[in-house]
Amino acid sequence: NAGVTQTPKFRVLKTGQSMTLLCAQDMNHEYMYWYRQDPGMGLRLIHYSVGEGTTAKGKVPDGYNVSRLKKQNFLLGLESAAPSQTSVYFCASRQSSSYNSPLHFGNGTRLTVT
Amino acid sequence: DQQVKQNSPSLSVQEGRISILNCDYTNSMFDYFLWYKKYPAEGPTFLISISSIKDKNEDGRFTVFLNKSAKHLSLHIVPSQPGDSAVYFCAASPLNFGNEKLTFGTGTRLTIIP
Repeated sequence: NAGVTQTPKFRVLKTGQSMTLLCAQDMNHEYMYWYRQDPGMGLRLIHYSVGEGTTAKGKVPDGYNVSRLKKQNFLLGLESAAPSQTSVYFCASRQSSSYNSPLHFGNGTRLTVT
Repeated sequence: DQQVKQNSPSLSVQEGRISILNCDYTNSMFDYFLWYKKYPAEGPTFLISISSIKDKNEDGRFTVFLNKSAKHLSLHIVPSQPGDSAVYFCAASPLNFGNEKLTFGTGTRLTIIP
C-alpha cells in the first residue's frame, strides 16, 4: 500500500536547467497538491488539481507548471530552474473536497539549484 | 504575512511529562484547524483536528484546545513518548473551502528526552 510516491528523492540542478517531479498516488484520490517547504516558512501551496485534466494556481505558482493527464499522477515542472527554487517539495492528495478530508503527503523531493 | 504562527521553533520535554505546542492565527475567517506531525525524510501525517464549534478535541494521548476569542490553539501530548519526537505543524482553513485555502505554520520541533 504505497500511498503517495514522489520521484526523485533528491536532485541537484544548475541554474537554467529544467526538470519534472513526479507524484503518483494509488488511493484513487481526486485532489492533488504540490507544496514547497522552506526554512522558517510553513508549507506553501504551489499548484493543485481537483481532478484529471484540471490544474489551478496556489499561492506561489511562479516558475512552475503542472499537469494532471492521469488521475493518479500529478507532475510538477521547472522550465528554467533558479536558486530561489531550492526547497523541499511535497506532493499530497486527498479523498474529497470536504474540509475534514485530510491531506496524505509523499516523502518529499529535496531540490538544490546551484 | 504569516497568518498562522508557531512562535516556538523548538521544545524539549522529559519522557512521561506533558508536551504543549502552541499556535496563534490572525485570520478570523479560519474555522478549521489541524495538526500534522513530520518525521525526518518523511512527509507530514495528519494527527488531529478541531472545528470552531468546539473548544476541545481528544484522540488518545493527543488533545487540541481552541480559544477562538484569543485566536489561539494548543496541542497537548500526555504522556510524552520518545516516538513523539518530530516537527509539528499547525494549519488552518476557512470551513467552507477545501485544502486550497489551508495555511500552515512554520512548525515546532519537539524533542522528547528519555
